[in-house]
Amino acid sequence: DQQVKQNSPSLSVQEGRISILNCDYTNSMFDYFLWYKKYPAEGPTFLISISSIKDKNEDGRFTVFLNKSAKHLSLHIVPSQPGDSAVYFCAATFVMDSSYKLIFGSGTRLLVRP
Amino acid sequence: GAGVSQSPSNKVTEKGKDVELRCDPISGHTALYWYRQRLGQGLEFLIYFQGNSAPDKSGLPSDRFSAERTGESVSTLTIQRTQQEDSAVYLCASSQFPVRGQETQYFGPGTRLLVL
Repeated sequence: DQQVKQNSPSLSVQEGRISILNCDYTNSMFDYFLWYKKYPAEGPTFLISISSIKDKNEDGRFTVFLNKSAKHLSLHIVPSQPGDSAVYFCAATFVMDSSYKLIFGSGTRLLVRP
Repeated sequence: GAGVSQSPSNKVTEKGKDVELRCDPISGHTALYWYRQRLGQGLEFLIYFQGNSAPDKSGLPSDRFSAERTGESVSTLTIQRTQQEDSAVYLCASSQFPVRGQETQYFGPGTRLLVL
């Protein structure tokens, strides 16, 4: 049962254009959503997060949008740069039975073409 | 300061052997997590330690998998009688405190396990 889904395994974008990475979730208990970026042979690094009570969070070139009614979030990168080429993981968190849960999606590989 | 470190970085073993993977979290981080990433797949949660609380083992795929953590320091993930499907990158992460919205996890580089 995949609670966090990233349906696009890969995305290719021209440098300078917008990259839009999508994520869908099924569990209405999720209260925070996070995006991680992963380069080959390295661990994921935290990029940006959003609380379920908000619909937008912006940090420089990165903006995350949350649509709770659609159980959908997206990460916008603008303008895209070649150094943004990496695998992006969407993740969602909730607390159940005093235990903290962090569920990851399967990732989307972004390629930014120079 | 030092980040999360894991050892070994690569491990090749024969089917049926036991392996032990080590994680050194960032000093002061009370929470520690183990994940597994199989080829072409996402991050699969395995186990979560938070301070002195009982660990959340709900993600461990079988009783061949176990993990320990001494206080708020080093953790070891042990896989007994390894199988070929155990081949994956095993990632460890730590975070400072479980304050909602601030649970940024810092990941180590992972251990690449190959079971022949």
